Amino acid sequence: GNSVTQMEGPVTLSEEAFLTINCTYTATGYPSLFWYVQYPGEGLQLLLKATKADDKGSNKGFEATYRKETTSFHLEKGSVQVSDSAVYFCALVTGTASKLTFGTGTRLQVTL
Amino acid sequence: DVKVTQSSRYLVKRTGEKVFLECVQDMDHENMFWYRQDPGLGLRLIYFSYDVKMKEKGDIPEGYSVSREKKERFSLILESASTNQTSMYLCASLKRGGNTEAFFGQGTRLTVV
Repeated sequence: GNSVTQMEGPVTLSEEAFLTINCTYTATGYPSLFWYVQYPGEGLQLLLKATKADDKGSNKGFEATYRKETTSFHLEKGSVQVSDSAVYFCALVTGTASKLTFGTGTRLQVTL
Repeated sequence: DVKVTQSSRYLVKRTGEKVFLECVQDMDHENMFWYRQDPGLGLRLIYFSYDVKMKEKGDIPEGYSVSREKKERFSLILESASTNQTSMYLCASLKRGGNTEAFFGQGTRLTVV
């Protein structure tokens, strides 16, 4: 079956540090890949997406590149802010039924 | 503004009760999902539906059932609530095709006592 594996959290960084959150996947066919973010007390919202190999998704300074050869979709940001503190979920959609599968989430805490 | 609405933000139920969690979307999406979110376990798929009256089990369907009589509404049913079903429940909807985002409700925090 399909699965998404994310690095364990929590990740604690100082403001302006570089962020990488690793995500790898197993899927049949050609999935679309997503990063969702959940800020404290809020619901999940889309951060960025990529729908085919070598696509780069970007939003709010975050980037992730769809790497088919390594089945990865790592999230990066060059300089994190305190306001980026949240839980980040990697996800994929695949199949004719468009089943949505999530990783376990990675909590990011950014301090001054 | 697109919207996925869950009927309750907080619920407290007794062990053995039958519990209904309702989710409504106004985007004419074919797919709807129910997840539970627990610390350290992320989002686990309970059931999803890809059309009216169509459903498929997710990763943890035991103790749950679902109903989709209309396209806009997807109900999660706990046949006999137990304390290990205390959790945050999230509903999502998605336009079939795979390359568009899913939209989430605000969640229902269910406590079974």
